[in-house]
Amino acid sequence: GENVEQHPSTLSVQEGDSAVIKCTYSDSASNYFPWYKQELGKGPQLIIDIRSNVGEKKDQRIAVTLNKTAKHFSLHITETQPEDSAVYFCAASGGSYIPTFGRGTSLIVHP
Amino acid sequence: DGGITQSPKYLFRKEGQNVTLSCEQNLNHDAMYWYRQDPGQGLRLIYYSQIVNDFQKGDIAEGYSVSREKKESFPLTVTSAQKNPTAFYLCASSIQGSAKNIQYFGAGTRLSVL
Repeated sequence: GENVEQHPSTLSVQEGDSAVIKCTYSDSASNYFPWYKQELGKGPQLIIDIRSNVGEKKDQRIAVTLNKTAKHFSLHITETQPEDSAVYFCAASGGSYIPTFGRGTSLIVHP
Repeated sequence: DGGITQSPKYLFRKEGQNVTLSCEQNLNHDAMYWYRQDPGQGLRLIYYSQIVNDFQKGDIAEGYSVSREKKESFPLTVTSAQKNPTAFYLCASSIQGSAKNIQYFGAGTRLSVL
């Protein structure tokens, strides 16, 4: 089955800095890579996703890049703000449509 | 107001007791899922259902049971066979057959053992 590794487990940045979270996957059949944000006491919510036929996607301050050859994808957050503090999960899915999640990254943005 | 509702928000289980977590959705989604979240472990799939009256085991189904009698409801029972039930439980739903399979999550139930 699919295995998704996510790093780092904790990321601490100053407000205004950039943050990068990286994930690798094992199944070359995976073709959909979403990122979810989980705020304290809430369920995760989709913030951005990318399909395997695209190398990069941007939405305001967040972007995701995908390297199919190396089987890794990354989340980039620019100009971080305190409200970006949360746990972020990457995931990968393919033929079965059931996503496999990474272990999560706790992002802390210091004002 | 469309979404997924989980109840209760907090639940306590006594030794040897079965407890049931509720999950209801009004998004008209065919597929529903139960995940367990432990610190540093990410989201692990317990059970999922792609259609009414059918469900499949996920990666950590032992000690849990589910039913899917109605499209909008997917309750999870944590049985006494689950020896380490303390965790945050998340229910999700998605459009069946969608290439993206975007998961819509509830707010979760935190289960603790007394």
